[in-house]
Order: sequence, then structure tokens, then C-alpha cells
Amino acid sequence: QKEVEQNSGPLSVPEGAIASLNCTYSDRGSQSFFWYRQYSGKSPELIMSIYSNGDKEDGRFTAQLNKASQYVSLLIRDSQPSDSATYLCAVNRLNTGFQKLVFGTGTRLLVSP
Amino acid sequence: EPEVTQTPSHQVTQMGQEVILRCVPISNHLYFYWYRQILGQKVEFLVSFYNNEISEKSEIFDDQFSVERPDGSNFTLKIRSTKLEDSAMYFCATTQGIHNEQYFGPGTRLTVT
Repeated sequence: QKEVEQNSGPLSVPEGAIASLNCTYSDRGSQSFFWYRQYSGKSPELIMSIYSNGDKEDGRFTAQLNKASQYVSLLIRDSQPSDSATYLCAVNRLNTGFQKLVFGTGTRLLVSP
Repeated sequence: EPEVTQTPSHQVTQMGQEVILRCVPISNHLYFYWYRQILGQKVEFLVSFYNNEISEKSEIFDDQFSVERPDGSNFTLKIRSTKLEDSAMYFCATTQGIHNEQYFGPGTRLTVT
């Protein structure tokens, strides 16, 4: 079982729609959860972090975490063509001193004008 | 806004040669990481570094790899004898504390011929 799983996509949505990106993780000890955006040939850019169950909103982005289901999601409202990128889910397990981020393979999002 | 910087942006080297990749962390950040991303694959953790010593390393980070902070500002990754399979993007990431978000530099594209 992969540590962090994402659907590779592409997820295609029209401009102005809501894009919903999902991620599951296998390690119940995971404590911190992150969404990064990566444009082709560029480095991961942090979008959101979430540490406790529930929703966290920042502008057009909402992260949702459900630790019981080991599930993290990212909603992008009013999607724009500039949101077209690969979205990486990453988890960080700290309780045993692990300090690394474990990434999923990413979901490619295409927003059409 | 402070950001992580990396040099060089692109390095081409012959198999068996040594390379040093450099990173300048955000000034008040204390934890440093190297990740790599082979073309078309996910971002993988290599090593974490705190208080001038390695705190964790992955299986990828074998005896050919080393890290150091030679002058209190730069954070370097050295590959002693490069192999073809070391060709990848190498990203430096830094964070203020282990519970905080990691911010990535722009990366160094390493091409081993």
C-alpha cells in the first residue's frame, strides 16, 4: 500500500467551477498535512497546511481533514486557468522524530477557459 | 518575502564526477531538507538536518551523499561520484520548526551523462 495516494488525473474542470482533489494516507501516526502546487519544471509551492480534523479555508482554497478515514482533500473554488498545475498532497509524521514529508504522486488539474 | 535560493539552477556532469548543490535557507529557519524528483516521478525525501547534524536520512541517501552547513548560511548537498540514475531535480526545503510548513527552493536540475 502506498503511503500517500492520489488520483493522477488529469482532472478537467471549466473556469469558474469547483475543483475537488483527494488524498488518502496509510500511516495513522501522520500529524501534519500539506497541499503543494507544482507547475511543470518548477518547485513545489505551499498552498495549505492542516493539522486538525475539519475544514480550513484560505481564499479560494479549502482543505479538509478526516483522520479517522485517513483522508485529506483540497477544494478550489472559482477555478482559473492559472490554477492548472499538479497538486501534491504531503504528510509529515512527527511523533517518533520523523521530520520528512512524504508526497503523493500528485493530481494534474486542467482548468479550461 | 524571504525565500529559499538554490545554485546552480542546472548542472551537467559526467558520471563519476563530484557535484555540490548549494542552498541558502530563509534566515530564521532552523531545519533543512533535501528532496529529489526524478522526471515524471514523485518528490522523494533524502535527508533532514538540524543543529549541524543529520536528523534523518532515507535509503536513497547512501555513502555517496553528504550534507553540511559550511559557513552558517549555505546548506550543501554533495554527491561524491555521480551515477546516471542521480539525474533529477534536487530541491532544498527549510522550516522554522518541525511543526511548521516547509518552503522549497527553485531546485537544481542535475543531469549526469
